[in-house]
Amino acid sequence: DIQMTQFPSTLSASVGDRVTITCRASQSISEELAWYQQKPEIAPKLLIYDASRLQSGVSSRFSGSGSGTEFTLTISSLQPGDFATYYCQQYNDYSLTFGGGTKVEIK
Amino acid sequence: EVQLVESGGGLVQPGGSLRLSCAASGFTFTDYYMDWVRQAPGKGLEWVGRSRNRPHRYTTKYAASVEGRFTVSRDDSRNSFYLQMNSLQTEDTAVYFCVRGAFCSGGRCPGPFDSWGRGTLVTVSS
Repeated sequence: DIQMTQFPSTLSASVGDRVTITCRASQSISEELAWYQQKPEIAPKLLIYDASRLQSGVSSRFSGSGSGTEFTLTISSLQPGDFATYYCQQYNDYSLTFGGGTKVEIK
Repeated sequence: EVQLVESGGGLVQPGGSLRLSCAASGFTFTDYYMDWVRQAPGKGLEWVGRSRNRPHRYTTKYAASVEGRFTVSRDDSRNSFYLQMNSLQTEDTAVYFCVRGAFCSGGRCPGPFDSWGRGTLVTVSS
């Protein structure tokens, strides 16, 4: 199975900050990567797919980049509703795998 | 509007069985793969299993942690998706989400999980 390593695991930031989360795949997954946002007690929400495509209805403050094995999710200006946990996920392989998550906390 | 509604969760003893159901609406069910994803209390997301659709002969795939114990199935006539869980272990305790997978009309169909149910809690405990 392809292992997805996400870092940092926790990130403390303030409203207005630019935030970057990194996800690394154990082998090349082309651009077959998604990012999700999850708030407590709520199902995850798709933000980005195909590494850089913004899901319909998602704020343009979110952007994704990368290909192969290294990917990033950037939030351009953190808003109060963005404090949540973020997961990357690869869908290149038949066994789908998630990163361990990054919790974005209020500094 | 896409809706996925899970049911069937509850408390079960170790070694027991449980069947989860997912009722889908708001989209053409037969066009999509369907998946189950779970989340143990305070932990991250773990993909559990997938049912491909008719172009791929409804083939299934599982995570290694559940292979041989869990079975996914679907009933396209009812727009329903299922997860049969046998030989349950305490580490299977989690919220189980029904998820819409990739759109597929044939060939290779990579794609993200773009719609999620609210989840149903399965607790395995004596």
